Amino acid sequence: KAGVTQTPRYLIKTRGQQVTLSCSPISGHRSVSWYQQTPGQGLQFLFEYFSETQRNKGNFPGRFSGRQFSNSRSEMNVSTLELGDSALYLCASRDTGGAGEAFFGQGTRLTVV
Amino acid sequence: AQSVTQLGSHVSVSEGALVLLRCNYSSSVPPYLFWYVQYPNQGLQLLLKYTSAATLVKGINGFEAEFKKSETSFHLTKPSAHMSDAAEYFCAVSDRLTGGGNKLTFGTGTQLKVEL
Repeated sequence: KAGVTQTPRYLIKTRGQQVTLSCSPISGHRSVSWYQQTPGQGLQFLFEYFSETQRNKGNFPGRFSGRQFSNSRSEMNVSTLELGDSALYLCASRDTGGAGEAFFGQGTRLTVV
Repeated sequence: AQSVTQLGSHVSVSEGALVLLRCNYSSSVPPYLFWYVQYPNQGLQLLLKYTSAATLVKGINGFEAEFKKSETSFHLTKPSAHMSDAAEYFCAVSDRLTGGGNKLTFGTGTQLKVEL
């Protein structure tokens, strides 16, 4: 089985721009979650999508949004980028029948300049 | 909300020595606990999980962890460190959410250095 695929791996954007990150989960997994990883804040939960619906959301501003398609692929969007949005964004796919374990992609490294 | 605490942001061991990475959890219900490893510029790889079956859990790459309810601990060990074990290790607890899903709450991570 192919793992979780995130594209692109690296992005450089300018402050004020917007960005869209993509995640393809493991085949058959219907839950996709997004996490932000920074040196200062560590790993923080952004949101979870299940069957095209946002099921849960972390404590992030409305500039962070996402969606999930019928094939379970998910996109995450950040609008009006700030320098502090520079981070590694990780997507995790979960088999909802499992014990909560999540399988992560390689991440997208976003740098805002 | 559940939480995990990892003691020691940096641990250094000699190759061949015992690896011990500490994790304590806070949970009002029986938790699901995980250890993940992250190599530079990579995502997180699942090492092992505890889901209330056996208290001693064996994972990949020779790692294991023991769930101790009385100590609220889930420490990660490996009998003999290898240079390839150098990485950052995260302990995590699965938090059930009101929306019906789960999220992982991570510790702050422990950077493991393996020296010759």
